[in-house]
Amino acid sequence: SAVISQKPSRDICQRGTSLTIQCQVDSQVTMMFWYRQQPGQSLTLIATANQGSEATYESGFVIDKFPISRPNLTFSTLTVSNMSPEDSSIYLCRRGQGRETQYFGPGTRLLVL
Amino acid sequence: RKEVEQDPGPFNVPEGATVAFNCTYSNSASQSFFWYRQDCRKEPKLLMSVYSSGNEDGRFTAQLNRASQYISLLIRDSKLSDSATYLCVVNKQAGTALIFGKGTTLSVSS
Repeated sequence: SAVISQKPSRDICQRGTSLTIQCQVDSQVTMMFWYRQQPGQSLTLIATANQGSEATYESGFVIDKFPISRPNLTFSTLTVSNMSPEDSSIYLCRRGQGRETQYFGPGTRLLVL
Repeated sequence: RKEVEQDPGPFNVPEGATVAFNCTYSNSASQSFFWYRQDCRKEPKLLMSVYSSGNEDGRFTAQLNRASQYISLLIRDSKLSDSATYLCVVNKQAGTALIFGKGTTLSVSS
């Protein structure tokens, strides 16, 4: 199975600060996706990270709040900017290339105080 | 109408029971369908794809009705280890973003 790692696995942050989450996959993929799972909720897609172009954001999510980088085909970062307690969530990255390779990273648990 | 809707449950069943989960989706252009399983405090993992002809994987059977935009998952002979949240997932085409339902929670007891 594919290997996807995320850093950090968890963090506790103060409101107003920013956190950058890293996602590393073990083989090159064209598209990577960032999701959020708030407590007791299902997963919500934040954006699609395409290598070589700007990320595509879903309704309700903006680049200023969730800037994304995709410097190469195996790595992406998601930054949660100017955090508030409402940003407390699990953030997951997923690799996507074909229907069979749908693996999620282990997630980053974020608590904002 | 939500893109993917599921009965949240919880479903509380004894070991050995048969349980069925239902899901509806709103986008008639959707091409790919899946069931994911999510254990507590873990990331979701692909349980099985859902094909138009219906498919089975051991105790698990998935079915798709495109006309009704309806997906189901049947679990036979439930095990304690089946306790988890089951997520109905849809996307427009392979390689694109997945849209998740809120999940149905199953609790199997001895």
